[in-house]
Amino acid sequence: NAGVTQTPKFQVLKTGQSMTLQCAQDMNHEYMSWYRQDPGMGLRLIHYSVGAGITDQGEVPNGYNVSRSTTEDFPLRLLSAAPSQTSVYFCASSYEQTNTEAFFGQGTRLTVV
Amino acid sequence: DAKTTQPNSMESNEEEPVHLPCNHSTISGTDYIHWYRQLPSQGPEYVIHGLTSNVNNRMASLAIAEDRKSSTLILHRATLRDAAVYYCILRDFYNQGGKLIFGQGTELSVKP
Repeated sequence: NAGVTQTPKFQVLKTGQSMTLQCAQDMNHEYMSWYRQDPGMGLRLIHYSVGAGITDQGEVPNGYNVSRSTTEDFPLRLLSAAPSQTSVYFCASSYEQTNTEAFFGQGTRLTVV
Repeated sequence: DAKTTQPNSMESNEEEPVHLPCNHSTISGTDYIHWYRQLPSQGPEYVIHGLTSNVNNRMASLAIAEDRKSSTLILHRATLRDAAVYYCILRDFYNQGGKLIFGQGTELSVKP
């Protein structure tokens, strides 16, 4: 049981490049979400999913796409990276949406130059 | 969305109890009160959650006011490892789809 696994741990992109941040969980959790955390700030919700095939926007969705084709995986896509997307990204999962704990990955530190 | 209010920072001495307050005066009947903490350079970590009754687990205790408009996270004996940012979050399916919305949290420092 590995929990929530994020890859890569570190990434440097040039402005305009695209990439996918991977998130996988092996706990059969229905609820998954992506956050970004800028220096000295709290986490902000980007997108979330309540199950395979269902996604919705969070607080700061612009510039990011998600899909959920399986229960285990919830990738986050940056279509055209911008310096404003330099941040630490966290993926989280929970069994359901209110009465269970959420598990977080260790984060992906992304720098866009 | 229901909001929470926490002090920006608190200090504690090692091996003493710590009481971290959270106000949530607009809480609805279906909001669960969740606490998470984030140690430096790590992802958030679940601490405890509850609905109406006080809760205890191996990490902490959660005391919920009778009117549910406030709650207190209690660390019974602070250690240096407890230095972190603590987030109090309301999680509700019906009004928010179960989203975990983080505020600024309380930065707890622990002195030896």
